Amino acid sequence: QSALTQPPSASGSPGQSVTISCTGTSNDVGDYNYVSWYQQHPGKAPRLIIYEINKRPSGVPDRFFGSRSGNTASLTVSGLQAEDEADYYCSSYAAINNVVFGGGTKLTVL
Amino acid sequence: QVHLVQSGAEMKKPGASVKVSCKASGYTFTSYAITWVRQAPGHGLEWMGWITADNTTTNYAQKVQGRFTMTTDPSTNTGYLELRSLRSDDTAVYYCARITSSGWDFDYWGQGTLVTVSS
Repeated sequence: QSALTQPPSASGSPGQSVTISCTGTSNDVGDYNYVSWYQQHPGKAPRLIIYEINKRPSGVPDRFFGSRSGNTASLTVSGLQAEDEADYYCSSYAAINNVVFGGGTKLTVL
Repeated sequence: QVHLVQSGAEMKKPGASVKVSCKASGYTFTSYAITWVRQAPGHGLEWMGWITADNTTTNYAQKVQGRFTMTTDPSTNTGYLELRSLRSDDTAVYYCARITSSGWDFDYWGQGTLVTVSS
């Protein structure tokens, strides 16, 4: 199973919005509603911030927004804050009870 | 509160085996499956597989099939990942996580266990 494709880096200034893409295929992102996004700060475990394409767990600010178009999912972070600087990973169910992650995107708040 | 607490760091030689534990608390252990994810130094997340908490069903990523074994002990609310025939490229932080009941999302994570394979 191939990894999902994410840009290695993204950046934005405080208060701005940034969107991170996650491209898969019709066998994963495009075919199942189980697309998730995880935030990982250095030295920490990942944290679930978006599940089932666009749902937020309790405690996750509504500045984080998930969407999907075709085989590409996206995470938009609006009103960027310094604490949003982290690595972000997408994942998708990929049939036959498998899961695949994206390669990760390092978000820098300028 | 839900907590997943993993065992401590391990250093092993190539060809050896290691068993990492993941003790859960704060929820009904058998109601949620457990997944294992690893992260090599400076690299991204790699999904390893999952196991139902009642220890009856497993599914492994093709890359680790046959060399890694996931088990659980419902009597102690603990999940285990055993790695055999270790290679240097198995050096990574290994995370356990709980799979949500609604799908294929991982809502609570352990703190991670660093496994270093070096001669």
